Amino acid sequence: KAGVTQTPRYLIKTRGQQVTLSCSPISGHRSVSWYQQTPGQGLQFLFEYFSETQRNKGNFPGRFSGRQFSNSRSEMNVSTLELGDSALYLCASSLVQGSYNSPLHFGNGTRLTVT
Amino acid sequence: AQRVTQPEKLLSVFKGAPVELKCNYSYSGSPELFWYVQYSRQRLQLLLRHISRESIKGFTADLNKGETSFHLKKPFAQEEDSAMYYCALTPTQGGSEKLVFGKGTKLTVNP
Repeated sequence: KAGVTQTPRYLIKTRGQQVTLSCSPISGHRSVSWYQQTPGQGLQFLFEYFSETQRNKGNFPGRFSGRQFSNSRSEMNVSTLELGDSALYLCASSLVQGSYNSPLHFGNGTRLTVT
Repeated sequence: AQRVTQPEKLLSVFKGAPVELKCNYSYSGSPELFWYVQYSRQRLQLLLRHISRESIKGFTADLNKGETSFHLKKPFAQEEDSAMYYCALTPTQGGSEKLVFGKGTKLTVNP
């Protein structure tokens, strides 16, 4: 079974631009969540989706948004990029909602650099 | 507020020595706790979770509610245990995927 796939692997953008990151969950997984990883803050929860609905959102500004499609694939968008948005963005999928019910499977991440 | 603290950024032991990676948490309710591991050039993956009460790759973790700790232990470390280890918690109510992670501990097992 293919793992969680994130595209692209690397992105370089300039301040003020916007970016869209994509995540394809493991086949059959319906829950997708996103995390931001930086050296200073570590891993921080962005949001989670289940059945195309956002179920929970982390403490990030409204410039960060996401969505989930009927095939469970998910995208996240960051508008008006700032230097501090440079990070590794990780997507995780699970079979059902609730990480205590089924473990999260992480992708390799998208490395975003904002210059 | 939910918080996970891993006091050691770096931990170095010799092969065959016992290892303990510390994790303390702060949460007013009853959380579910996990250890995730990231080996070099691999993706983040679940090592073990409190609810399973299992031992994975020789690692165990005991939840101590009095001390709000969930330390990860292995009696005899192996070189292949060298990795980044993250402790994480999630609230058991609400069925959320939200994990609160600690900053991680980099374990190096020397030959």
